[in-house]
Amino acid sequence: NAGVTQTPKFRILKIGQSMTLQCTQDMNHNYMYWYRQDPGMGLKLIYYSVGAGITDKGEVPNGYNVSRSTTEDFPLRLELAAPSQTSVYFCASSPTGGDTQYFGPGTRLTVL
Amino acid sequence: GENVEQHPSTLSVQEGDSAVIKCTYSDSASNYFPWYKQELGKRPQLIIDIRSNVGEKKDQRIAVTLNKTAKHFSLHITETQPEDSAVYFCAATSSGSARQLTFGSGTQLTVLP
Repeated sequence: NAGVTQTPKFRILKIGQSMTLQCTQDMNHNYMYWYRQDPGMGLKLIYYSVGAGITDKGEVPNGYNVSRSTTEDFPLRLELAAPSQTSVYFCASSPTGGDTQYFGPGTRLTVL
Repeated sequence: GENVEQHPSTLSVQEGDSAVIKCTYSDSASNYFPWYKQELGKRPQLIIDIRSNVGEKKDQRIAVTLNKTAKHFSLHITETQPEDSAVYFCAATSSGSARQLTFGSGTQLTVLP
C-alpha cells in the first residue's frame, strides 16, 4: 500500500511554461485535495474533489486547473507559470469529508 | 468560511519540559480537529485528532483538549525530546458540504538538549 504518491519531486519552470503535477492514491479514498505551502507558512487549499468527475475550488485556485477522471488520480495543471507559484505542492486524500487527510511527499516547484 | 488562528508561532523548550500549542476556530459547526507534525522537508503527518463530542484525548506523551464553548483546542506534549522538534499545524473542518480542513499557520517547536 503506497498511500499517496506524487511526481515529480522537484521541478524548475521558466515563466510562462506549463506543467502537470501528478497525484495518485491507492486507498480508494473519495476525497482528494491539492495544497500549496509557501516557505514558513501553512497549507492553502487550491482545489479539492469529492469523487470522480467532481471538483471544486479552494482558497487559492487562480492559475491552476484540476481534473478527476478516476478515483485514484487527481492531477494539478499549471498554465502560464509565474514566480508567485513557486511553492511546495502537497496532494492529500481522505475517505470522506471532515476526516483524516493523508498527504503525499510533495513537489517542490520553482518558477524562474 | 472557517478561520483558524494558531499560537505561538515559535516555541523553545528544554528537553523534558512540556509544550503547549493553542488554536482558535471561528465556525461553531466545526466538528473535527486534527494536529499534524511536519519535519523539515517532509510531508505533514497526523499525530492526534479529536472530534467535537470529546473534550480530551491522550496518546502517550501527546494530548489534545477541546473547548467548544470558547472555540479553542490545544496540543500538549509532555516530557519533550529532541525528536519532537518540528512544525506543528492545527486544523478544523469547514461547514461546507465537503467539510475540508482549514489549517493554522503553524508552530515551530524546538526542543533544546
